[in-house]
Amino acid sequence: GDSVTQMEGPVTLSEEAFLTINCTYTATGYPSLFWYVQYPGEGLQLLLKATKADDKGSNKGFEATYRKETTSFHLEKGSVQVSDSAVYFCALRGGTNAGKSTFGDGTTLTVKP
Amino acid sequence: DGGITQSPKYLFRKEGQNVTLSCEQNLNHDAMYWYRQDPGQGLRLIYYSQIVNDFQKGDIAEGYSVSREKKESFPLTVTSAQKNPTAFYLCASTPSSYNEQFFGPGTRLTVL
Repeated sequence: GDSVTQMEGPVTLSEEAFLTINCTYTATGYPSLFWYVQYPGEGLQLLLKATKADDKGSNKGFEATYRKETTSFHLEKGSVQVSDSAVYFCALRGGTNAGKSTFGDGTTLTVKP
Repeated sequence: DGGITQSPKYLFRKEGQNVTLSCEQNLNHDAMYWYRQDPGQGLRLIYYSQIVNDFQKGDIAEGYSVSREKKESFPLTVTSAQKNPTAFYLCASTPSSYNEQFFGPGTRLTVL
């Protein structure tokens, strides 16, 4: 079946540091890939997505590129802010079971001033 | 505004009681989902429905039940058979197999 493996957390960075959260996946076919963000006590929100190989998703300074050759979708941001502190989930849809999403375990990011 | 609503935000229940969590969407999405999230954990799929009057078990369906009588609504019942129901429950919907999921704000259930 499909699987998503995320970089283990928690991750603690100073404000303005560079962020990378690794995500690799296993899936059949041509899945769409997503990054979601969850703030404390809230539901998940879509951060960015990519629907085919070599697509780059971007939003709010975050970027991720769909790399089919390495089955990866790493999340990056050049300069993090305290407000970026949250849990980040990598996910895919449209793989083996088209009706379901497969989520990574989530990576907790804390940004200190 | 279009979106997903879940109610209530906080729910307390005594052991042995069934409780129903509400999920409503006005996005006209065909598919709806229920997830459970425990502290510091990822999401686990309980049930999902791709069309009205049809639903499938997810990875942790035991002790839960659902219905999908209307496109907009997908209520989840946590039964007394669920051994450890205290958790954060998230409802989601999506228009298709390749689109992102839209999530509600969640219901935090505590069993006293």
